[in-house]
Amino acid sequence: SQQGEEDPQALSIQEGENATMNCSYKTSINNLQWYRQNSGRGLVHLILIRSNEREKHSGRLRVTLDTSKKSSSLLITASRAADTASYFCATDGPLNNDMRFGAGTRLTVKP
Amino acid sequence: ETGVTQSPTHLIKTRGQQVTLRCSSQSGHNTVSWYQQALGQGPQFIFQYYREEENGRGNFPPRFSGLQFPNYSSELNVNALELDDSALYLCASSLGWASGRDYEQYFGPGTRLTVT
Repeated sequence: SQQGEEDPQALSIQEGENATMNCSYKTSINNLQWYRQNSGRGLVHLILIRSNEREKHSGRLRVTLDTSKKSSSLLITASRAADTASYFCATDGPLNNDMRFGAGTRLTVKP
Repeated sequence: ETGVTQSPTHLIKTRGQQVTLRCSSQSGHNTVSWYQQALGQGPQFIFQYYREEENGRGNFPPRFSGLQFPNYSSELNVNALELDDSALYLCASSLGWASGRDYEQYFGPGTRLTVT
């Protein structure tokens, strides 16, 4: 079953703007990860944030985690057309090495 | 490139048939997980293999089975195919718990299965 839910389902912005995607989940977690997927192909790992962390940066990406609200956000700054993809959040499952994904946010960046 | 490969890229099967999908993990990765991704949805966990043994299963029936081999390759087998089995099948490898690191998984490009 799905664990996370991304919001919005779809987002369309102009190149250079910032994109913010949100993820909510239901059960307690050890970590939360964000992935990108281009055109129904394999997933690319973007960033992992542990449950004891509140914010993490990687290049143009900024991820926040609020365990009290069971939510996370992914911010992409100064977006580019190449950022057009689907973005998924995933939380660790009972095995710790399996992951539970949301349905994703489809981001379109217009040049 | 993640170093994880899958074959075939695309596959068309008829309802009731059997299918085998293959995955080659990154060298040294002793854990492989398989996911099913229906169109417009996120990946759903099917099962995981650790050192050639099944290590956990999601909400999938027994007609979904797998194998993991010592050479870092693995298979997903699906018997008695149903129309709803049409999806993108992804494998992901990782170092598993022994690495002591967080559990970053490296995904292959997927196999798109169409059942008619």
